[in-house]
Amino acid sequence: EPEVTQTPSHQVTQMGQEVILRCVPISNHLYFYWYRQILGQKVEFLVSFYNNEISEKSEIFDDQFSVERPDGSNFTLKIRSTKLEDSAMYFCATSVAGNWDTQYFGPGTRLTVL
Amino acid sequence: KQEVTQIPAALSVPEGENLVLNCSFTDSAIYNLQWFRQDPGKGLTSLLLIQSSQREQTSGRLNASLDKSSGRSTLYIAASQPGDSATYLCAASQGYQKVTFGIGTKLQVIP
Repeated sequence: EPEVTQTPSHQVTQMGQEVILRCVPISNHLYFYWYRQILGQKVEFLVSFYNNEISEKSEIFDDQFSVERPDGSNFTLKIRSTKLEDSAMYFCATSVAGNWDTQYFGPGTRLTVL
Repeated sequence: KQEVTQIPAALSVPEGENLVLNCSFTDSAIYNLQWFRQDPGKGLTSLLLIQSSQREQTSGRLNASLDKSSGRSTLYIAASQPGDSATYLCAASQGYQKVTFGIGTKLQVIP
């Protein structure tokens, strides 16, 4: 069964450094999402992406975050200058259609900011 | 702003019991409601998706219901097994694919 994959599984970085988290969506999926889950807290929506544009973003998704689909397969989340509070699990999800469809989640990237 | 609440926060049951997990949401203008399973340190696995026009969905031993007017959904697990032990999350989807999650119910099924 096709799966969403994410790399790396664990990223450790120093505060202020840039990180790029990568996701490979299921091949026929058109909608892409990033979520984060701080340890012990709820899964939080960050951003949705369709047709090479951001569809929706939450208040968490500020100017230090950006998303892109650089090569037609990968979907990336960039955090420009990491803060301690960015430490979390970051999940990519994809779906065929948008509002009406099941989202399939990747296994996540654990980001640790020191 | 949508708020999703799940009760109970944790549940421990003996193997074989039927159980119900509850989810409530404050804004009934949803497109769908989805139930997920999360194993420790892992991603989320979609269990059931109920469209806003539907009342329930079934998959194997799982049955999810949706009552939009009262802002409630339930996940019924029949004949629970130790392999069902996990955290169960519900998530309400609104416009432009924005999804709001509950904190989850941590289920332990004791052999």
